[in-house]
Amino acid sequence: DQQVKQNSPSLSVQEGRISILNCDYTNSMFDYFLWYKKYPAEGPTFLISISSIKDKNEDGRFTVFLNKSAKHLSLHIVPSQPGDSAVYFCAANSGYALNFGKGTSLLVTP
Amino acid sequence: DTEVTQTPKHLVMGMTNKKSLKCEQHMGHRAMYWYKQKAKKPPELMFVYSYEKLSINESVPSRFSPECPNSSLLNLHLHALQPEDSALYLCASSQPYRGYDYGYTFGSGTRLTVV
Repeated sequence: DQQVKQNSPSLSVQEGRISILNCDYTNSMFDYFLWYKKYPAEGPTFLISISSIKDKNEDGRFTVFLNKSAKHLSLHIVPSQPGDSAVYFCAANSGYALNFGKGTSLLVTP
Repeated sequence: DTEVTQTPKHLVMGMTNKKSLKCEQHMGHRAMYWYKQKAKKPPELMFVYSYEKLSINESVPSRFSPECPNSSLLNLHLHALQPEDSALYLCASSQPYRGYDYGYTFGSGTRLTVV
């Protein structure tokens, strides 16, 4: 049973606007959450992470929000750029390895 | 060097073949991982090596045999695979138990096709 869920397989956003990618999880023991970005024919690259003791972490155009009571996190990209078009994976750390969601394919149009 | 290098990038093998996937990193990471990713699915953990010792085997069939000859290298030996084993095989590395804060470093993967 999948413990990390990304229910939107795809998202299309105009350049300059905000992209919001969502992720839900079921295991309350997860203590760290990460977002990865993946281009075709490349491995996933680490983007940003958040500890379960925080509710927000910001790095440039990328902000991750965590709502522990709802077991929900989201990645905000502002402003979105065409180069942000990729598949974004949400992942949760179980202590010895990462559990990944299915990914959301983001397309940023000019 | 901040990369994980995987070879080959593409591999086509028959069901009776024996082949190996290779992964190399020179970041001083002491944990290395094999993940398998099928189309439209998330990466799924196969094996974890910590300090060159196998610490996690996620009930992977014995036709997949991992090996960690030293702290920089990780191999995945393949034998008698099935067509359903066709997938992208990803290698990653991190410091043991520290992948949570800065994440793992992934290689570009080996696209395996079993015919």
